[in-house]
Amino acid sequence: DTGVSQNPRHKITKRGQNVTFRCDPISEHNRLYWYRQTLGQGPEFLTYFQNEAQLEKSRLLSDRFSAERPKGSFSTLEIQRTEQGDSAMYLCASSLSLYGYTFGSGTRLTVV
Amino acid sequence: KNEVEQSPQNLTAQEGEFITINCSYSVGISALHWLQQHPGGGIVSLFMLSSGKKKHGRLIATINIQEKHSSLHITASHPRDSAVYICAVRSPNFGNEKLTFGTGTRLTIIP
Repeated sequence: DTGVSQNPRHKITKRGQNVTFRCDPISEHNRLYWYRQTLGQGPEFLTYFQNEAQLEKSRLLSDRFSAERPKGSFSTLEIQRTEQGDSAMYLCASSLSLYGYTFGSGTRLTVV
Repeated sequence: KNEVEQSPQNLTAQEGEFITINCSYSVGISALHWLQQHPGGGIVSLFMLSSGKKKHGRLIATINIQEKHSSLHITASHPRDSAVYICAVRSPNFGNEKLTFGTGTRLTIIP
């Protein structure tokens, strides 16, 4: 068990470009969460999956954002037409039950 | 007003001091988490509480459900404890799946 893995660790992109992040959860965890954290703030919920089903999406997740978990294992988060306001740390977490949480190291996105 | 508030926002102390970080919340909860975040960004889960008190090494976490308040204590603090400590709650008000976070307390321990 190597924990929750996120790739890439850092991404610098030009405004208007599309980016995709990947999260590999702990293998037996059926729940997977995406959060976004801006500088000096706590993380904010974006979306979560139970197995392959996306069960909840925050209103923060505009139509430029899409998340998938096609086989109930890894997940991807895509941002289309990036804006400078998208610059943040994107955190993934997974859990087996409602009460255990394991976070990844995050992907830091900088939009220039 | 945030549903989860932490104090202080920043705390600087000398090595060896006893540290207390506070978390107050305004909603009913099913669980409260204390998390540690180092400058690289990764978050480590320290405790999950739904009542009482938990201890792990030099760290102690307590929760008072009636007062909607939790504290994280660090005994014999060390420079390696320097990090951001974040309180987060899981609440049936928010669907009980996701965590709602405080803004964190930045702790700096000076040798």
